[in-house]
Amino acid sequence: GAVVSQHPSRVICKSGTSVKIECRSLDFQATTMFWYRQFPKKSLMLMATSNEGSKATYEQGVEKDKFLINHASLTLSTLTVTSAHPEDSSFYICSARDHLRLAGSYNEQFFGPGTRLTVL
Amino acid sequence: LAKTTQPISMDSYEGQEVNITCSHNNIATNDYITWYQQFPSQGPRFIIQGYKTKVTNEVASLFIPADRKSSTLSLPRVSLSDTAVYYCLVGDADSWGKLQFGAGTQVVVTP
Repeated sequence: GAVVSQHPSRVICKSGTSVKIECRSLDFQATTMFWYRQFPKKSLMLMATSNEGSKATYEQGVEKDKFLINHASLTLSTLTVTSAHPEDSSFYICSARDHLRLAGSYNEQFFGPGTRLTVL
Repeated sequence: LAKTTQPISMDSYEGQEVNITCSHNNIATNDYITWYQQFPSQGPRFIIQGYKTKVTNEVASLFIPADRKSSTLSLPRVSLSDTAVYYCLVGDADSWGKLQFGAGTQVVVTP
């Protein structure tokens, strides 16, 4: 159980276009999902917290107008990279917590497999 | 969120035990210690979590001294497939899943 999927797994786009990445919790409900970005040989950097039915909370330095997040249901959050540029090329990873597993590990998150974005 | 410090890399041979120590001097009373594993081009995977003393599961053991200012992840009899980056994170229930990843430890297992 506790599987998180991402789609697409990799995407190549031209500079200036927008790219949408989907994050789904397949067998549990997640009121909160998280989006991370990871550059090669670097650690994960938290970009934003996605809250179902409300606005996302962005980390300092992350442009909310550039990285649009929508969490319309308890199983789906989307990240749209608008007007993508080569410097946005990165590995984007989402994660989710099963909000009903309150008795479980406090910080246990289930991560998606990631989406490799390449902007030409 | 408490800051963590861990070695950048560790090398080991197959069948050996690997111990990765993480320092978290500013750990708060409500903080738990959690370890994740990440393979290249994959999302991290939860390994183990603990609050104090020792925790063991089918994958690893976590040793936490009484002062909780450090913790040691122990991987018994590693295999080549244990080559990965291991992250130590510290946080409490109030942070509710907001994870701040440090640099992690790259473990390389060779035959």
